[in-house]
Amino acid sequence: EADIYQTPRYLVIGTGKKITLECSQTMGHDKMYWYQQDPGMELHLIHYSYGVNSTEKGDLSSESTVSRIRTEHFPLTLESARPSHTSQYLCASSHRGPNEKLFFGSGTQLSVL
Amino acid sequence: KNQVEQSPQSLIILEGKNCTLQCNYTVSPFSNLRWYKQDTGRGPVSLTIMTFSENTKSNGRYTATLDADTKQSSLHITASQLSDSASYICVVSDRGSTLGRLYFGRGTQLTVWP
Repeated sequence: EADIYQTPRYLVIGTGKKITLECSQTMGHDKMYWYQQDPGMELHLIHYSYGVNSTEKGDLSSESTVSRIRTEHFPLTLESARPSHTSQYLCASSHRGPNEKLFFGSGTQLSVL
Repeated sequence: KNQVEQSPQSLIILEGKNCTLQCNYTVSPFSNLRWYKQDTGRGPVSLTIMTFSENTKSNGRYTATLDADTKQSSLHITASQLSDSASYICVVSDRGSTLGRLYFGRGTQLTVWP
């Protein structure tokens, strides 16, 4: 049902490496989000965007950055990965409006050694 | 403080049985309440969305109820199947901004045994 794609699904990297997690949606959604989720815990918002050239930080302090150059694309970048960044990262999107359904990608499981 | 609390934390039932999951929230001002199903290692999938004026909504074998006065919701699963094994997440949205900030519960981990 959801036309939102995340790559890679799994990533194992060493400390200090720069990484980019990709997220694309083909539904024409204006709003896009990045969430972080640890096992058994709630999702935490780390970045969001209302549209092209719009990006905001979420509730959870994060050393990552995002960009929104095209409507369909919302990549997340970590300049220097650390073991504390090990987590699952979920991308989501929706149309504008408070009651719009939120569609999630399958997530990227990141492990930093 | 805006919070979403779910119970039980985990639940095991036998295939074919019914079950009910609970969600209590303190989010104000309230906009809507959502239930999501999240399979292990996957992203959440929307089951229902209810606004203030709706007190029940169904999606196949899933039926959600909402009592906005007591700030409680429940998700009832009928005739459970093995594929229902997943985490069920309650999410409440406020009306504080255009974004409609979302508050996530930690989920109830449901396991259905044959």
